[in-house]
Amino acid sequence: DIQMTQSPSTLSASVGDRVTITCRASQSISSWLAWYQQKPGKAPKLLIYKASSLESGVPSRFSGSGSGTEFTLTISSLQPDDFATYYCQQYNSGGTFGQGTKVEIK
Amino acid sequence: EVQLVESGGGLVQPGGSLRLSCAASGFTFSSYSMNWVRQAPGKGLEWVSYISSSSSTIYYADSVKGRFTISRDNAKNSLYLQMNSLRDEDTAVYYCARLSGGNDYWGQGTLVTVSS
Repeated sequence: DIQMTQSPSTLSASVGDRVTITCRASQSISSWLAWYQQKPGKAPKLLIYKASSLESGVPSRFSGSGSGTEFTLTISSLQPDDFATYYCQQYNSGGTFGQGTKVEIK
Repeated sequence: EVQLVESGGGLVQPGGSLRLSCAASGFTFSSYSMNWVRQAPGKGLEWVSYISSSSSTIYYADSVKGRFTISRDNAKNSLYLQMNSLRDEDTAVYYCARLSGGNDYWGQGTLVTVSS
């Protein structure tokens, strides 16, 4: 099975900060990677698919990059609505998630 | 409007069985692969199972392999998860999700509690 390692597990940041979250796959997944945002009590929301494609309706401050085994999610200027937990997911084989990154207010 | 509505959750004793359903509407269900994803209380997301649009390809997480069975009925626009030999650690909210690029649409989830 493909394992996904996400870091950091918690990130403290302020409004306006540039934030980067990293996800590493245990083997190459090409660009079959998605990023999600989840708020308490809600279903996850798709932000990025195929490593770098922005889902319709998602603000352009969110961007994704990477291929193979190393991927990043960047929020260019953190907004109040962005404080949430973020997950990466590979869908090359099955659909393993990373363990999540909680973005909290500094 | 795309809608996914899960049902079938509830309280079950360890070793018991439960069948979850996911009713899809607002899109051509037979054209999309689907996933089941779960989330234990206070924990992260865990992918459970995948089924292709025609049911020709199926995957399971190691944690449920041999105990859970995913299936679909494209004529009824429905996705299923048969869960047998349930364990305490299967307690979670179970989501069905449509796979298009990533999982672009999710249901509201159904809670499964395994407890004696």
